Formats: sequence, structure tokens, C-alpha cells
Amino acid sequence: KAGVTQTPRYLIKTRGQQVTLSCSPISGHRSVSWYQQTPGQGLQFLFEYFSETQRNKGNFPGRFSGRQFSNSRSEMNVSTLELGDSALYLCASSFEGTLGAEAFFGQGTRLTVV
Amino acid sequence: GQQVMQIPQYQHVQEGEDFTTYCNSSTTLSNIQWYKQRPGGHPVFLIQLVKSGEVKKQKRLTFQFGEAKKNSSLHITATQTTDVGTYFCAGTNDYKLSFGAGTTVTVRA
Repeated sequence: KAGVTQTPRYLIKTRGQQVTLSCSPISGHRSVSWYQQTPGQGLQFLFEYFSETQRNKGNFPGRFSGRQFSNSRSEMNVSTLELGDSALYLCASSFEGTLGAEAFFGQGTRLTVV
Repeated sequence: GQQVMQIPQYQHVQEGEDFTTYCNSSTTLSNIQWYKQRPGGHPVFLIQLVKSGEVKKQKRLTFQFGEAKKNSSLHITATQTTDVGTYFCAGTNDYKLSFGAGTTVTVRA
């Protein structure tokens, strides 16, 4: 079956702009989680969506938001971009969510803020 | 909040040698997962441990979950160049999956 698909793969934005990233989970998976990965901070949990509802949220400012559609596809939005938002953004899908189920990661979107 | 600490951050290993990476949580975990991320790639699930004291093996990899379900370890024997990458542990508690910072492994041939 097809894996987790993230688009776009690479993105360059200017400070102050906003950006929307997309994640299509594995067919049948209802949970999508988003992570920010940077060399210094590792994998930081942003939020998890399950059946269109945000079920868990990490410690990120309100500039980071997301949503999930009825087909389980998810989008993540970052407004008023800052240089420090430059990172690899990974989404992971699983059938049950963060209840001990294996998470399948996408290739990620590498965001560069200049 | 829950924190998962992982050591060492870097591990430089001579090919053929063994090494261990450790994961410690500030809270009791429901389960722990291990992932491997190759350079330029994305994390790939290796294994999940659920029971206290559980030990699982995958060829040269041995995973352990502590009795108190607060720590875990990954031991790799006879390291090969294919073992290069970053190994992450991730603990689940209160429906949140928290990743350790990872152990980045390089191998000297």
C-alpha cells in the first residue's frame, strides 16, 4: 500500500509569511501526528489529529495550527514565519494514534525561512 | 511534562564492535517504541515494547524495557556499516508520544 505522502518536499519562505503543509496518511489510518525536527532539538511533537479532531497538542505557539479532513488528510499551517521555524516537518500516520501503535512517517517537508 | 532523555547523543563505533543506547523517562510509560532514521531519510519503526522487563531481539539488535517501565535500551552487536543512522526511542504516556533526542551512530570501517 502507498506510504505517507507529504507535500511539498521543499519550501522557501520569507519571514512574516505563512505556509501550509499537507500530509496524506496511509489508507485506513485515522491518526495523523505532526513533528518538527531540527538538529538541536530532535523530534518535537506538534499535534495529533484523530478522526478530524485535535486529540493532543505539544508546546508550540499558536502560530502553529492544523486540521484534518474527513478523508484523514491533514494540513499544518504556520503563520508569521520566523527564522527559527526553519526545520524538517514530519507527519506520521497510524491506525489507532498515539496509543502504542506503530507510526509511519512521511519523507517530510523541509522548510527554510529566510 | 513527560520528558524522554536519550544517551549518548553520538556514538562512534568501530565496525564489528558492540554498543548500547539508553533511554530514560521522567514518568512511567505505557509502552516504548524505537525508530531508526538513516541520513537524509525519515524515521522508520523498529519495534515496540509494552511489558515490564520485556526483551525483544531483531537479529543483532536487542531491545529491553525496564522493570519500572521508565527506561529502555537498544544494544547492537557486531556493528555493520548498515547500522549508520540516528536511533530514537519514543515513549507513550497519557496518549502522547514523546521522542528522545536520538543517538547518532557512525561506523569506522
